Amino acid sequence: GAVVSQHPSWVICKSGTSVKIECRSLDFQATTMFWYRQFPKQSLMLMATSNEGSKATYEQGVEKDKFLINHASLTLSTLTVTSAHPEDSSFYICSARGDRMNYEQYFGPGTRLTVT
Amino acid sequence: AQSVTQLDSHVSVSEGTPVLLRCNYSSSYSPSLFWYVQHPNKGLQLLLKYTSAATLVKGINGFEAEFKKSETSFHLTKPSAHMSDAAEYFCVVRITGGGNKLTFGTGTQLKVEL
Repeated sequence: GAVVSQHPSWVICKSGTSVKIECRSLDFQATTMFWYRQFPKQSLMLMATSNEGSKATYEQGVEKDKFLINHASLTLSTLTVTSAHPEDSSFYICSARGDRMNYEQYFGPGTRLTVT
Repeated sequence: AQSVTQLDSHVSVSEGTPVLLRCNYSSSYSPSLFWYVQHPNKGLQLLLKYTSAATLVKGINGFEAEFKKSETSFHLTKPSAHMSDAAEYFCVVRITGGGNKLTFGTGTQLKVEL
């Protein structure tokens, strides 16, 4: 149980375009989802926290107009990187947590974004 | 503020020998601590967690960790390394309140040699 998927697993896009990454909880209702960013050989940095049906809370230094997060249902959150630039290239990982799951986060497999 | 420090960025062991990955934490309250493993280009897998129950925590794949309050440590150990253990390991502390966010250590790359 507690499986989280991400789609796509990798994506290449051109500079200036937007790309959407999906995060789904497959067998539980995720009232809260988290989006992380990981640069090569570095740790995970929390970008934002989203609760179903409300606006995401962004960490300091993360541009909310650049990284649009939508958590429209209890099983789906999306991260849209708008007007992508090469410096946005990174590994993006989501996690999900349900109300009755003892606050444990379950992680998706990640999405590798490369902006050319 | 809560934080974790992973003392070694790289650890190299021979197959069949013990593994020790070190982690120290800083917390104003009784922390919840986790160890996650990440294989290349993969997501994170929970190895084990400490949430104020038994101080010696057993996890998957033969790993265990001991919570030592007096030393503010939560080191990860395994008696005998396997080639498949080669990966990145993250020590993580959960922030009490404030949305129960996770704060990650900088990671330890474990290399297992024949």
